[in-house]
Amino acid sequence: KQEVTQIPAALSVPEGENLVLNCSFTDSAIYNLQWFRQDPGKGLTSLLLIQSSQREQTSGRLNASLDKSSGRSTLYIAASQPGDSATYLCAVSTGGNTPLVFGKGTRLSVIA
Amino acid sequence: GAVVSQHPSWVICKSGTSVKIECRSLDFQATTMFWYRQFPKQSLMLMATSNEGSKATYEQGVEKDKFLINHASLTLSTLTVTSAHPEDSSFYICSARFRYTFGSGTRLTVV
Repeated sequence: KQEVTQIPAALSVPEGENLVLNCSFTDSAIYNLQWFRQDPGKGLTSLLLIQSSQREQTSGRLNASLDKSSGRSTLYIAASQPGDSATYLCAVSTGGNTPLVFGKGTRLSVIA
Repeated sequence: GAVVSQHPSWVICKSGTSVKIECRSLDFQATTMFWYRQFPKQSLMLMATSNEGSKATYEQGVEKDKFLINHASLTLSTLTVTSAHPEDSSFYICSARFRYTFGSGTRLTVV
């Protein structure tokens, strides 16, 4: 059974810092991996999707990497801003038609 | 882009009553909808998978008679929490299989 773990559970940084969020998964036979942002009491916003054949994806200040063989992904946020404060969720799928398996998330606070 | 509209966004109900949550695909046909539940500080956990025109598939430990799922059309899937109790208070969110499009979620509080 696929399990997704995110470290750290919570992180507080001053504005402007670069930071890394970690995600690991137990079964390397994934179809893709996604990073989501969730604001308190809100739904999910997809940030980056990495297909199993890809190594990384970038969008603005965000960069996500994937090391499928070791079961790891990282989300790098450059020059963090208070507006980045949210919970970041990592999720993997094992097939194109299968549901996502989520980690518990990392709760990020960026202090102005 | 693909949009899933989920309603209501929040609901407070009395213990013992039933609550219906709707997820509607606005610009595409959703043959499959995944329903997740999220307790505070926990991850989203898959509850069930609904397929248009057939019975839903429930994950282990999810009571199918309590969480009724209907997917009668290609654009609408509903989750009804029957005889709700305080322990059912949670965040419920749907996701179409198409592009993993998520609804905005429903915060259910049972008092």
